[in-house]
Amino acid sequence: SAVISQKPSRDICQRGTSLTIQCQVDSQVTMMFWYRQQPGQSLTLIATANQGSEATYESGFVIDKFPISRPNLTFSTLTVSNMSPEDSSIYLCSVVPAGSADEQFFGPGTRLTVL
Amino acid sequence: KNQVEQSPQSLIILEGKNCTLQCNYTVSPFSNLRWYKQDTGRGPVSLTIMTFSENTKSNGRYTATLDADTKQSSLHITASQLSDSASYICVVSSGGYQKVTFGIGTKLQVIP
Repeated sequence: SAVISQKPSRDICQRGTSLTIQCQVDSQVTMMFWYRQQPGQSLTLIATANQGSEATYESGFVIDKFPISRPNLTFSTLTVSNMSPEDSSIYLCSVVPAGSADEQFFGPGTRLTVL
Repeated sequence: KNQVEQSPQSLIILEGKNCTLQCNYTVSPFSNLRWYKQDTGRGPVSLTIMTFSENTKSNGRYTATLDADTKQSSLHITASQLSDSASYICVVSSGGYQKVTFGIGTKLQVIP
């Protein structure tokens, strides 16, 4: 299994500002992902965080808006840039541990409110 | 378009009662189906994972079934407890973690 922590757990931000969310895992993982869960909606994959290289973004998400870093096998950050109220959501980090067979673990999430 | 539909959207049951949640999917190709429990303010936690060849899997009081022919799954909760109050999310994979379709979830409330 994998224990995932995220910081901050929640935040209230002003329009036009940026917030960086951190994801820390207690063990090395092969894959790390960032998801968004908007109110009343299903989880949507934003991007795959690639260690040592640029993240792979899903359709509808761009690097300028959601820059991602993954400097090593246990840590990643997601920045929500130039925020608007539409970015209010829960952002979740997810990992697949090394040697895992179909197991995908999720962090506790970061609840973001943009005013 | 791959879709996962869950029913009911919400459900209220008395503590100690059983309930069944439904998941219908139109995902193709099919790799596996997972059920997650998501407590309010928390991330989803895996309950069961089933591949094409499995038609039932249990995890304590949780039992999931899969009918790959009709593309339906159910999650049965036995002898519900207050701590079962959560959203239950059905997730279907087409192979690869980038090819995963999430349902919106069923919000279950267990009352005393």
